[in-house]
Amino acid sequence: SAVISQKPSRDICQRGTSLTIQCQVDSQVTMMFWYRQQPGQSLTLIATANQGSEATYESGFVIDKFPISRPNLTFSTLTVSNMSPEDSSIYLCSVEPPGFGAGGPDEQFFGPGTRLTVL
Amino acid sequence: QQPVQSPQAVILREGEDAVINCSSSKALYSVHWYRQKHGEAPVFLMILLKGGEQKGHDKISASFNEKKQQSSLYLTASQLSYSGTYFCGTEIGTDKLIFGTGTRLQVFP
Repeated sequence: SAVISQKPSRDICQRGTSLTIQCQVDSQVTMMFWYRQQPGQSLTLIATANQGSEATYESGFVIDKFPISRPNLTFSTLTVSNMSPEDSSIYLCSVEPPGFGAGGPDEQFFGPGTRLTVL
Repeated sequence: QQPVQSPQAVILREGEDAVINCSSSKALYSVHWYRQKHGEAPVFLMILLKGGEQKGHDKISASFNEKKQQSSLYLTASQLSYSGTYFCGTEIGTDKLIFGTGTRLQVFP
């Protein structure tokens, strides 16, 4: 399994500011994923972060708004830039640990999430 | 592109059964199921692979109809701990998941 921590757990921010969310994993993983979950809604994939390469963003999400860093195999950050109230959401990171299972798709482990409120 | 789940919500008494369906407009190669309790992270339940292989939970079963691009999750003899929101997930790329619309399940004593 993988244990994931996120910081901060929650924050209240003013519009126009930026917040950086940290995701730390207790083991080395190739891919980390960042999701957004608005209240009462499903999870939406923002981007995939591979160590040593640029993050890959899903449709509707851009690097200028959600820059991601992946400096090593256990850590990633997501920045929510120039925030507006529409960015109020829970942001989660997840990983699929390598070698978990006998090949093919495997379970993802999720961090506890960062609850962001933008005023 | 997002898988559609039905029903949107289910209310059960302990011991009752429930079925949650997940339907995709695209071909499915695998289906993941997760449960998320309020205020917590999603937790893995099961993966169903094309060809019939399953990996996951001992007490929860699921089916995968590749032709119909559907999957169903079967919760039998429900317990209070089954309460939460259930999401199916389908792969859109290497290890990338798109999650379904969600089904909220509440089990009462």
